[in-house]
Amino acid sequence: GQNIDQPTEMTATEGAIVQINCTYQTSGFNGLFWYQQHAGEAPTFLSYNVLDGLEEKGRFSSFLSRSKGYSYLLLKELQMKDSASYLCAVKGREGYQKVTFGTGTKLQVIP
Amino acid sequence: NAGVTQTPKFQVLKTGQSMTLQCAQDMNHEYMSWYRQDPGMGLRLIHYSVGAGITDQGEVPNGYNVSRSTTEDFPLRLLSAAPSQTSVYFCATHLGSYGYTFGSGTRLTVV
Repeated sequence: GQNIDQPTEMTATEGAIVQINCTYQTSGFNGLFWYQQHAGEAPTFLSYNVLDGLEEKGRFSSFLSRSKGYSYLLLKELQMKDSASYLCAVKGREGYQKVTFGTGTKLQVIP
Repeated sequence: NAGVTQTPKFQVLKTGQSMTLQCAQDMNHEYMSWYRQDPGMGLRLIHYSVGAGITDQGEVPNGYNVSRSTTEDFPLRLLSAAPSQTSVYFCATHLGSYGYTFGSGTRLTVV
């Protein structure tokens, strides 16, 4: 099975940098996703890491360490619109479609 | 392109009633899934399909049925609604490392 841990809530200041951590324990690993979900809306895809290291996409970066079962999402130059929940999700090996989601981290960006 | 279309957006059912949540995609993706999202629980997989005619159970399949007669459509049937099925339901398609594309969700209340 899979177990995914993320902080429940975080607060950060507009213009700052915030790091959202995700740790996981899985029986098999085939990639890790990050999604953004605004209140009342559907999740939207942010990033996918399958190899160790940092993937950068504009203001957002995602890091993976498979040996440590650890990932983080880094948001730079925070904007008010970044206030949302951020979901970590792990794809295991037991089935192509069996992606397990964490409970999400609710980020509040304050002026 | 509409992406993934879910209907209805909102629904109230009485205990014991049955209904079908509709999901249609125009992305020609083989893989489709149904998730439910509850506060503090994250997204949980109900059923998924890897192609027309092929479906399988996810983490929380009890009380739900699915079928996949075409690539485009993946309806979710609630057989006899219970208050425990009050939730937000998301349909999603999936293409390799590009992650999931979610529908806008159906907010279901069972009274």
